Amino acid sequence: GAVVSQHPSRVICKSGTSVKIECRSLDFQATTMFWYRQFPKQSLMLMATSNEGSKATYEQGVEKDKFLINHASLTLSTLTVTSAHPEDSSFYICSAPTGDRREQYFGPGTRLTVT
Amino acid sequence: GQSLEQPSEVTAVEGAIVQINCTYQTSGFYGLSWYQQHDGGAPTFLSYNALDGLEETGRFSSFLSRSDSYGYLLLQELQMKDSASYFCAVGEGGSYIPTFGRGTSLIVHP
Repeated sequence: GAVVSQHPSRVICKSGTSVKIECRSLDFQATTMFWYRQFPKQSLMLMATSNEGSKATYEQGVEKDKFLINHASLTLSTLTVTSAHPEDSSFYICSAPTGDRREQYFGPGTRLTVT
Repeated sequence: GQSLEQPSEVTAVEGAIVQINCTYQTSGFYGLSWYQQHDGGAPTFLSYNALDGLEETGRFSSFLSRSDSYGYLLLQELQMKDSASYFCAVGEGGSYIPTFGRGTSLIVHP
């Protein structure tokens, strides 16, 4: 199956700093990628849809100026958490759909801790 | 919009069979998927149903009834490693932006 990588797997940062998370499709091209946030014991909450070559589509309630998404190539999407605060601490996961969109290939996730 | 309901927790013993139900509401059904997620890991795809009926993949099977807006995941010959969270997800329309249920925590006891 297709492989999606994410980097870093874990990051600890100080409040007020910015953190960039990379999501790469390793053996396929992904014109669309999804970014999710998951709090402990909760479901995956879609934050935004990343579209190659165009602006991301954000879900209601997600601050686009705080969670910057860039999809500059067919294999790379980045999520930058700007001016991070402790409440941004979460598990961030990206995914890319298959061509027929039946299945999502998920990255391994990034555990963000803001101190 | 879309919404899904699934039980929060299910427990069973090794070797048993367990069924995890999922009911959904969506304005334009595209397909029902199931994912497994172990603690600290990312979700992995288990199955997909677009049409009514049963899909079998090894020990796991998934069922869909579109008229009832209902589906289930059936896990047979349970093993300890099956202890995980299981999410149903529906896609809507041609864009298939998936919405996930809250997840069912499956605990398998020896």
